[in-house]
Amino acid sequence: LAKTTQPISMDSYEGQEVNITCSHNNIATNDYITWYQQFPSQGPRFIIQGYKTKVTNEVASLFIPADRKSSTLSLPRVSLSDTAVYYCLVGAGNAGNMLTFGGGTRLMVKP
Amino acid sequence: EAGVAQSPRYKIIEKRQSVAFWCNPISGHATLYWYQQILGQGPKLLIQFQNNGVVDDSQLPKDRFSAERLKGVDSTLKIQPAKLEDSAVYLCASSLVQGGSPLHFGNGTRLTVT
Repeated sequence: LAKTTQPISMDSYEGQEVNITCSHNNIATNDYITWYQQFPSQGPRFIIQGYKTKVTNEVASLFIPADRKSSTLSLPRVSLSDTAVYYCLVGAGNAGNMLTFGGGTRLMVKP
Repeated sequence: EAGVAQSPRYKIIEKRQSVAFWCNPISGHATLYWYQQILGQGPKLLIQFQNNGVVDDSQLPKDRFSAERLKGVDSTLKIQPAKLEDSAVYLCASSLVQGGSPLHFGNGTRLTVT
């Protein structure tokens, strides 16, 4: 079961690019890397998912190096509404390799 | 599409009482998850269903927690008897398939045990 390590908290300012790195040294061959965003009193919300190299969608990019032992979520030009907790999730969702959340990174965006 | 529905939104009970939470996943999603989220922590997986079968329940405290998904659609999580440490948000999530498919979460049930 791959475990993840993320910074506990990060601060940024509006308009800046934010990069949050997650370490997952024990990632397995069939594991995906998925990032979620969570606001207070809401369930986590899917942001982006990848397996290797780079993935980009309308809200974020995900960079995964060749050894897949880490990944970086990149949020371009953050706004105040991006203040939330961000979770990196690694796993395949199969028996014995469950989708386990770590402690997450609390991002604070300041004006 | 409609999201994952959970009820009730809030529940307050006394210790040693019982409580049940209900979840209706997104239509067509085969996999359903129950997570427990204690304040300030990440969600902890309690049980995962694939259709109406259990994939993993290794972290479910089976002496007091039970869950079922009888027809492979909606699901119920029960706690009996509740303890103070069960105070948490109980999140239900569903995914289209098992493995590699993003999870879609409901907004959870906030349980307070007094």
